[in-house]
Amino acid sequence: EAGVAQSPRYKIIEKRQSVAFWCNPISGHATLYWYQQILGQGPKLLIQFQNNGVVDDSQLPKDRFSAERLKGVDSTLKIQPAKLEDSAVYLCASSLDRAEAFFGQGTRLTVV
Amino acid sequence: RKEVEQDPGPFNVPEGATVAFNCTYSNSASQSFFWYRQDCRKEPKLLMSVYSSGNEDGRFTAQLNRASQYISLLIRDSKLSDSATYLCVGASEGSARQLTFGSGTQLTVLP
Repeated sequence: EAGVAQSPRYKIIEKRQSVAFWCNPISGHATLYWYQQILGQGPKLLIQFQNNGVVDDSQLPKDRFSAERLKGVDSTLKIQPAKLEDSAVYLCASSLDRAEAFFGQGTRLTVV
Repeated sequence: RKEVEQDPGPFNVPEGATVAFNCTYSNSASQSFFWYRQDCRKEPKLLMSVYSSGNEDGRFTAQLNRASQYISLLIRDSKLSDSATYLCVGASEGSARQLTFGSGTQLTVLP
């Protein structure tokens, strides 16, 4: 079974630039999560979708971050404009109902 | 106060040792708990679920104490391959389960 796919794997941008990340969850998984993981810390939830509806985006910095999940499948996370403190690994995960969450390999973002 | 708190370590133990990690949670909405394992520069992967009755999977034992809001993970007979970061996770109930991660405890098993 194919896992959660994310792209790109790595991205380096200058501050104030824009960047977008893409996630393709496991087929049939209704729940999709975007997490931000700063080095040395645990993953922090940015946004959670149930199908194409938002369940929780309370920790998403909405002045610069946006996410969508059109048609309840793929999802994109965008940062515009990026700040130095956005340097982190952005992890996408998906789960089926109340089962285990499976993570993608993440996108490592460096803002310089 | 963070919803899920862990001792960050690092824990450096010799092969064959027994090591225990602890985790506390503050959000009573968290009804289910898990331990995830994250290898260096890799994604987190589910290690095991945690039940009030305690559960064991080979050399790993997980325990939940709801009265004390405390979760533990015990690793017996440590192997070099157990070196990783162990993440404590609380999950809310409901159709859209929300997962809250602790900051992780780093374990290095030494030869």
